[in-house]
Amino acid sequence: EAGVAQSPRYKIIEKRQSVAFWCNPISGHATLYWYQQILGQGPKLLIQFQNNGVVDDSQLPKDRFSAERLKGVDSTLKIQPAKLEDSAVYLCASSGLTNTGELFFGEGSRLTVL
Amino acid sequence: GQQVMQIPQYQHVQEGEDFTTYCNSSTTLSNIQWYKQRPGGHPVFLIQLVKSGEVKKQKRLTFQFGEAKKNSSLHITATQTTDVGTYFCAALRMDSSYKLIFGSGTRLLVRP
Repeated sequence: EAGVAQSPRYKIIEKRQSVAFWCNPISGHATLYWYQQILGQGPKLLIQFQNNGVVDDSQLPKDRFSAERLKGVDSTLKIQPAKLEDSAVYLCASSGLTNTGELFFGEGSRLTVL
Repeated sequence: GQQVMQIPQYQHVQEGEDFTTYCNSSTTLSNIQWYKQRPGGHPVFLIQLVKSGEVKKQKRLTFQFGEAKKNSSLHITATQTTDVGTYFCAALRMDSSYKLIFGSGTRLLVRP
C-alpha cells in the first residue's frame, strides 16, 4: 500500500515570496491533516479536512496560509507571503481505514525562509 | 498554544537503562496516542489508549492511561540504540472533533 506522498521535500525561499506544498493521502482515507512542525517542537495542527470539507482550521494563519482539497483526495497548502517564522517542516497526514484512529504521516516538506 | 504537556524534554541514557516519558493534560481526554519520530523522519504511530487505567505492552514498551484520563506514560525497559528518537503523545480531548493535539515530545538519546 502506498503511503502519504508529499512534495517538494525541500524548499528555500526568501521572505515575502510564496510557496505551495502538495499532499496525496493514502487511497480511501477521508481525513487529511496539515501539521506544522518547527524544529524541536511537536506537530501543530493547521487544518483538518473530512473529504473536501474543512473540519478545523482554527490555528491556520488565514492572512497568509490557505489550503484546499477540492476533490476530496489530494490537497495543497499555500503560504503567501512567507515570513521567517514560517520556516518549519510541513507534515501531511491522513486517516480513515483503521479503527485505531492512527494518523499516517508523509515524509514532510521542509521550508526554509531566508 | 500546546495544551498537552510532556516531560522530560530530553533524556540521555546508557544502553540497557530504562526510560519513561510522561504526558499530562488539564482536561479529560477521549483517548491518547503515542508516536515515535526518528531523527530526520516523520512521526510513526505506536499505539492508542482509550480506556481509563488501560495498560498496553509492545515488547519492551509499556503504555499507561491514567485513571482520570488526564495523563499517560510510555516506559521503555532496557533501552537499545534503536530506541533513539523523539516520542510524542497526541491527545484527543473529550470536547473536540477528531483533532489530535501533540505534546512537545521527549527526545531520547541512548549511549551505546
